[in-house]
Amino acid sequence: DVKVTQSSRYLVKRTGEKVFLECVQDMDHENMFWYRQDPGLGLRLIYFSYDVKMKEKGDIPEGYSVSREKKERFSLILESASTNQTSMYLCANYDRHDDGYTFGSGTRLTVV
Amino acid sequence: AQKITQTQPGMFVQEKEAVTLDCTYDTSDQSYGLFWYKQPSSGEMIFLIYQGSYDEQNATEGRYSLNFQKARKSANLVISASQLGDSAMYFCAMREPYNTDKLIFGTGTRLQVFP
Repeated sequence: DVKVTQSSRYLVKRTGEKVFLECVQDMDHENMFWYRQDPGLGLRLIYFSYDVKMKEKGDIPEGYSVSREKKERFSLILESASTNQTSMYLCANYDRHDDGYTFGSGTRLTVV
Repeated sequence: AQKITQTQPGMFVQEKEAVTLDCTYDTSDQSYGLFWYKQPSSGEMIFLIYQGSYDEQNATEGRYSLNFQKARKSANLVISASQLGDSAMYFCAMREPYNTDKLIFGTGTRLQVFP
């Protein structure tokens, strides 16, 4: 089974801090995604990447950036964390061969 | 733009009864995929069932079935014989085809199963 690992389950950061959320897959899949999940809003796409060093904005990219230097790792960066970025963040990858997505277990970020 | 709509923020069902969770979608593409995920309180996203736009038969996976009505652009999830462990958030999602493979989600339905 494909594994997608998010390094932190819970994170508390201060306003203005630069925050890195890490996501690692154990396969060679091109497509990786970062979502944030908020009550009543479902999952909204922040950024996605379809290969190393390739990235595209999703629906809510403001305040975020991403990095994909190696195929297995897709990092979400909050340049200057703000309280409205307190949320659950989910990473996922897509397997073209079986048309399936695998999600990480999520990182619950609190910005104080 | 692609959109998924789930109009039921919350649903209650008695154990052993069947329940239908609604999902409608909007797309101008001919080729697309529809997914249902379950998210228990632990937060993990569990894949339940998939329906391709060209599939003529409704998808089924154990107690889960997808009532796919293409003309009405609906893809409702039917859970038969509900169990207490089915209590969770349920998300309908659609895959955008043609390179991006982005997954677009609805706002979710919280299902509570009571004894």
